[in-house]
Amino acid sequence: NFMLTQPHSVSESPGKTVTISCTRSSGSIASNYVQWYQQRPGSSPTTVIYEDNQRPSGVPDRFSGSIDSSSNSASLTISGLKTEDEADYYCQSYDSSNQVFGGGTKLTVL
Amino acid sequence: QLQLQESGPGLVKPSETLSLTCTVSGGSISSSSYYWGWIRQPPGKGLEWIGSIYYSGSTYYNPSLKSRVTISVDTSKNQFSLKLSSVTAADTAVYYCARIVLLWFGPIDYWGQGTLVTVSS
Repeated sequence: NFMLTQPHSVSESPGKTVTISCTRSSGSIASNYVQWYQQRPGSSPTTVIYEDNQRPSGVPDRFSGSIDSSSNSASLTISGLKTEDEADYYCQSYDSSNQVFGGGTKLTVL
Repeated sequence: QLQLQESGPGLVKPSETLSLTCTVSGGSISSSSYYWGWIRQPPGKGLEWIGSIYYSGSTYYNPSLKSRVTISVDTSKNQFSLKLSSVTAADTAVYYCARIVLLWFGPIDYWGQGTLVTVSS
């Protein structure tokens, strides 16, 4: 089994850029797609990135995803931060028998 | 517009079985392009995948819950269901049903609003 580790929290100012990491404990990050979900307080999650770097329709291009095999991690980058981006963000991936979510990162835009 | 709605008891006693149903509207549960899944979130904590099911009845379960979980589908009612046996306080969570794209581990494109289930005597 594997785990996905995210920073507990990050904060940045409006208009700036923030990157949230997601490190896979075992198995190659590049072998299985990574998804990213945004969850605002009191709401269900929504997808902001799927298949490592694809944006669903309606998600602004300020959101981007990438994979770094050297650190075995995925990243979610949000540029031009807005107060509405303040939320919890979860990465998710899988192996042959399980799918796993990261512990979540609380993004504060202050 | 696809909608998913969870339903079931909000309070379950320890050692009993938690039962939830997800009703799908605005689309067919029998579509070959999707799996259907359950995810839970304990209060103040992160997300945990419980399991996924195809309209044919094929299932995939989280190994840590597999011995206690059964997910089933009723295509005639456009519903799928979750049963979790021998519950404890650790099973208290918001339970979400969801539509999963293409494969049992694929991205989720629609989520239900979630329903809080509390395990307590």
